[in-house]
Amino acid sequence: ETGVTQTPRHLVMGMTNKKSLKCEQHLGHNAMYWYKQSAKKPLELMFVYNFKEQTENNSVPSRFSPECPNSSHLFLHLHTLQPEDSALYLCASSQHTGELFFGEGSRLTVL
Amino acid sequence: KNQVEQSPQSLIILEGKNCTLQCNYTVSPFSNLRWYKQDTGRGPVSLTIMTFSENTKSNGRYTATLDADTKQSSLHITASQLSDSASYICVVSLSNDYKLSFGAGTTVTVRA
Repeated sequence: ETGVTQTPRHLVMGMTNKKSLKCEQHLGHNAMYWYKQSAKKPLELMFVYNFKEQTENNSVPSRFSPECPNSSHLFLHLHTLQPEDSALYLCASSQHTGELFFGEGSRLTVL
Repeated sequence: KNQVEQSPQSLIILEGKNCTLQCNYTVSPFSNLRWYKQDTGRGPVSLTIMTFSENTKSNGRYTATLDADTKQSSLHITASQLSDSASYICVVSLSNDYKLSFGAGTTVTVRA
């Protein structure tokens, strides 16, 4: 398997649920990212991890909790989300600040 | 105000025709400018990456131009195909920074 893989592709959850998004990259990159994409808006950077260390937290609410156990895996733990958190969540990886490779995204709907 | 502005927001063209998308940015210091194509329901895919010293770069029927002095870029699609229907996103990178500035994208619809 190659590239950046995200699961699940679609997720529907209630505001009191706890769920997780998973991302795996097979490119040997050192940096991994979570982005939020809402309709008609630019991608919003949420978190950046470089060699498993978080280097950016773009003022993201604590109901979003990232986890990076190694350079190939990235999780986004979701808890007590709001309907306005419904969006496409994109994972990406890069070698340092080079070209970004995106996953297919996880479409999240919060009821 | 977003540091990367794209125009038009959307456009419709007939198959076989050409079109040009615009990107203006205010990001500084500039490292490189990227164009991505995002099909509906999919992740963005890189089309071109240009540094400040490059004026033009092509990828098949896609040609990107860059004027670092006026901070403008364009993406030209030649002989459009139905598969070109997608959102095209302009992204500007700061020097040695993991943060990127994204435009909101231009949605292109190609009709037969």
